Amino acid sequence: EAGVTQSPTHLIKTRGQQATLRCSPISGHTSVYWYQQALGLGLQFLLWYDEGEERNRGNFPPRFSGRQFPNYSSELNVNALELEDSALYLCASSPVEGPRNTEAFFGQGTRLTVV
Amino acid sequence: RKEVEQDPGPFNVPEGATVAFNCTYSNSASQSFFWYRQDCRKEPKLLMSVYSSGNEDGRFTAQLNRASQYISLLIRDSKLSDSATYLCVVLTGGGNKLTFGTGTQLKVEL
Repeated sequence: EAGVTQSPTHLIKTRGQQATLRCSPISGHTSVYWYQQALGLGLQFLLWYDEGEERNRGNFPPRFSGRQFPNYSSELNVNALELEDSALYLCASSPVEGPRNTEAFFGQGTRLTVV
Repeated sequence: RKEVEQDPGPFNVPEGATVAFNCTYSNSASQSFFWYRQDCRKEPKLLMSVYSSGNEDGRFTAQLNRASQYISLLIRDSKLSDSATYLCVVLTGGGNKLTFGTGTQLKVEL
């Protein structure tokens, strides 16, 4: 069974550009989570989507946005990129609404570098 | 105060040692607790869930103290392969948000 897949694995953008990151959850998983892991920092919660709806949002500016498609895949868009946005962006999926006592499975991440 | 706090380490221990990590959380309404493991430049993976009664999985024991709002992970007879960053994770209801600590780095040495 395929795990959570993310693309691209690496992305280099210049300041002010827009970045689009993609995530395909494990088949049957309806919830998708996005996290940012900057160097030396922990995972910071960005967004949670379930059944096509945004369920929760972390403490990030509005230029971080996303969506979930009918097939449960998801996109994370970052507009007006800043140098501080350079980080590993991780997507996770879980099989039920919210990762209560169930495991959240992570993709290998997209490493975004803003120059 | 951070929602989830961990000692970043690194903890450098010899092979065979017992090592313990602690984690504190600030939201008393938190519902579920987990330990994840993250290897260098890899994605986090669930190590174990943490239950109020405490739970053990081989060399790993996790405990939860709701009154003091802390979670612990004990690793016995540590192996070189245990070297990784251990992430304390808390699920807070009303949004089902998984909040991660910054992680504790463990290095097991010969």
